[in-house]
Amino acid sequence: NAGVTQTPKFRILKIGQSMTLQCAQDMNHNYMYWYRQDPGMGLKLIYYSVGAGITDKGEVPNGYNVSRSTTEDFPLRLELAAPSQTSVYFCASRRSGTTTNEKLFFGSGTQLSVL
Amino acid sequence: GDSVTQMEGPVTLSEEAFLTINCTYTATGYPSLFWYVQYPGEGLQLLLKATKADDKGSNKGFEATYRKETTSFHLEKGSVQVSDSAVYFCALSELTGGGNKLTFGTGTQLKVEL
Repeated sequence: NAGVTQTPKFRILKIGQSMTLQCAQDMNHNYMYWYRQDPGMGLKLIYYSVGAGITDKGEVPNGYNVSRSTTEDFPLRLELAAPSQTSVYFCASRRSGTTTNEKLFFGSGTQLSVL
Repeated sequence: GDSVTQMEGPVTLSEEAFLTINCTYTATGYPSLFWYVQYPGEGLQLLLKATKADDKGSNKGFEATYRKETTSFHLEKGSVQVSDSAVYFCALSELTGGGNKLTFGTGTQLKVEL
C-alpha cells in the first residue's frame, strides 16, 4: 500500500511565485487534511476536506487554496509565495470524521523554502 | 478552545533510561487522546491512543494513561533505545459543531545516546 503520497519532497520558491503541492491517497479515505509544521509550533491546520467537492478552512488558510475533485487527490495551491510560508507541509487522511478515535495517516512531507 | 501542552525539548537520555514526556490538555467534551511519533525525514505515525478516561494505550513499550481528573496523557517508557530518537506529539480529537477536530501539541524531541 502506498498510503498517502506527497510530491515534491523539497522545493525552493522565489517570493511571488506560485506552486501546487500534490497529495494523493489510495485508501479511499473521505477526510483529507493539510497541515504546516513550523519549528517549535507543532502542526497547524490549513485546510481540510470531508469528501470530493467539499473543502473548508482550518486555522491558517490565508495565502492558500485547495480543491478536491476526486476522493484520491487533495492538492494545495500557494499563490504569490511569501517568506512566511517557509515550512514543512504535511498531507493526512482518515476514513471518516464521525468518531474521535480514528487515526490519521500522514504523508512524508514537503519542505518548502520561500526566498 | 481545545489545546494541548507538552513539555519542551529536547529531552536527552542515555540508552535504557526511563522516559516521561508530559502532556496536558484542555477540551470542552470527551476527547480521544493520541501520541504520534515523527522519525527524522518522515511524516507522523500513530504510536498509541486512548478513547476514554482511565484507558491505557500501549505500543512498542510505550504507555500512556488517560487521566481525566488531571487532564493529562503522559507518555512513558521503561527503557529507551537509540532507535526511539524522534519527535513525539500529543494530540486530542474531539467532535465539534464543525466536525471532528484534531489538535496537536508542539512536539517534544527525544534524543537517546549510547
